[in-house]
Parts: sequence; structure tokens; C-alpha cells
Amino acid sequence: DAGITQSPRHKVTETGTPVTLRCHQTENHRYMYWYRQDPGHGLRLIHYSYGVKDTDKGEVSDGYSVSRSKTEDFLLTLESATSSQTSVYFCAISDPKEEQYFGPGTRLTVT
Amino acid sequence: DQQVKQNSPSLSVQEGRISILNCDYTNSMFDYFLWYKKYPAEGPTFLISISSIKDKNEDGRFTVFLNKSAKHLSLHIVPSQPGDSAVYFCAASENNNDMRFGAGTRLTVKP
Repeated sequence: DAGITQSPRHKVTETGTPVTLRCHQTENHRYMYWYRQDPGHGLRLIHYSYGVKDTDKGEVSDGYSVSRSKTEDFLLTLESATSSQTSVYFCAISDPKEEQYFGPGTRLTVT
Repeated sequence: DQQVKQNSPSLSVQEGRISILNCDYTNSMFDYFLWYKKYPAEGPTFLISISSIKDKNEDGRFTVFLNKSAKHLSLHIVPSQPGDSAVYFCAASENNNDMRFGAGTRLTVKP
């Protein structure tokens, strides 16, 4: 267990509403990541952070924003949720050039 | 554009036999490769990795082989156990940034 939690674990929301997912770590790892997992696509990187207030886009960043104001927390925000953002979202943490450790996931349904 | 491909969505083997999971990649700049294992309703768990300077890495029952000229890697599990039944994701990155995942292979080990 890498000391990484995600909240909420499940969420159902309506199209057009804002949604924020939280990732919290107790391991003091420098890097944090947000992925989404969809059938036939594996895991795709949305955004990542390489330090407090340092973030960068991943493969599928459109429609998402992130913030990291503390080492331990990485927030993923959907400003206006769409049905195409229905997915399972995973947070991961790592140190530079080390393997990533994943959280338990958040299942988001946009109706 | 999937840079990491796992062409077999599923694999079934008998307990005690060898499981071979395959992965192909297209980006010749990838220099770090990993395998993750995922059980339902959990986050992926790191299994084994290999850097591009090696062609084999072994950890207990798990061995990863890398063929750079063919842009192919494989995971061997010997002997396979029912507890190995899970989805296995292959991943690759360049300098451990922007990791790309395959779509996954569901392994079923029958008692």
C-alpha cells in the first residue's frame, strides 16, 4: 500500500456540472498523475505534476484542469462535465525515474 | 494513436503452466518498460520493469523480455497460479515521463 487515497470513490453527476476529484498521498513523492481508464484504451494520462504548482498536460487533457498547492494533494477538475468523461479515474504517485503507484480509483458517471 | 499495443485482450492458461503476455510498441525513444497487474475495483499494481539497456529482468515467477529491434516485450509467468488471474497492462515511457499504457490483457488461470 503506497499511502495514496482518492475521494470520492464513486460519483454520479449531471452534464454541465463542475466536478472535483481529490488525490491525497502520505508518501511525500514528488510526482503525481491523473489517468482515466476506458475499455479498449488502457490508462491514458490526463495531467501530471512534478512539484507544488508545477503541472503539465498529458495525452487527454482537454476538458480537465488540475491544481497542486501542497505536496500531498493533487486535484482534478472537470469544469463542465460531459458524458464522454464518464470513466474510472486513477491517481498515481512516484519519485523521479521510479515506478508509479496507483490509488484505488474513482468511478465517475456523467448522466 | 496507440504507441503501446497489447493485441490479445484475453488469455486463458492452466494452473502450473506458463503464461506469456505480449506487448508491442512503436516509439523507438521509449527507454523504460513496465508491467502492471490490476484486480477488479482496485488500482493497478506495479509488477516488474525493464530498462532499454537490458533484454531480460527476472523477479521470482515473473520474467520480462525486451526485444528492442522488434519493439516487443513479453511477460512470462511460471508457474501460473489462480491468484495471477487479473488484467495485465504493459506500459512504456521515454525518460520516465508521459507513460503510455496498452489496453490490457485479461489473464485467467484455471485450477
